Amino acid sequence: QSALTQPRSLSGSPGQSVTISCSGNNSDVGVSNYVSWYQQHPDKAPKLIIYDVDKRPSGVPDRFSGSKSGNTASLTITGLQSEDEADYYCCSYAGTWVFGGGTTLTVL
Amino acid sequence: QVQLVESGGGVVQPGRSLRLSCVVSGFTFGSYGMYWVRQSPGKGLEWVAFISYDGSNKYYVDSVKGRFTISRDNSKNTLYLQMDSLRAEDRAVYYCARQGGWYVLDYWGRGTLVTVSS
Repeated sequence: QSALTQPRSLSGSPGQSVTISCSGNNSDVGVSNYVSWYQQHPDKAPKLIIYDVDKRPSGVPDRFSGSKSGNTASLTITGLQSEDEADYYCCSYAGTWVFGGGTTLTVL
Repeated sequence: QVQLVESGGGVVQPGRSLRLSCVVSGFTFGSYGMYWVRQSPGKGLEWVAFISYDGSNKYYVDSVKGRFTISRDNSKNTLYLQMDSLRAEDRAVYYCARQGGWYVLDYWGRGTLVTVSS
């Protein structure tokens, strides 16, 4: 199964909002209620930040939110902070698990 | 607190074998499904394998089917990945992760690096 499509990089200034897209097709994202997002800082393990499209684990700030429309899922980060600078990966389950290629977010 | 610690990585020649381990603590291991996920240097994440809480169900990405075997020993709180017939493209950091909810990887280890090189 092919990796989901994410923008390779995005940037934003502190306080701004950014949205990271995750595009699939009607055999993965389009038919899955199980889209999750992971944040990974350099040389660190990934951390779950969104699951089941739009749910946040306890401890994850409400600045992070998830949504889905058709074959595209999105992660929105509002009120950008310097510590949000990281790589972000989406993941969809539709029979097997498939990750996106990852987006590097730079906070200017 | 939940902890997952991988080990067993190293340098191995193409065609040889390696077994990774993931020792967990802080939760009832036998109640959770578990994953292996890998990340090639400078690349994204790739799901490798999944095993159900009791080991009765196992799933693999196509590229490792027939070469890798996921298993677990619930009495030892340990997850394994037996990797045979290793190829250069298997070079990656291998993470173990816990299944949270239905299809979510909620806790991850810090990974172990596997290098396949002659």
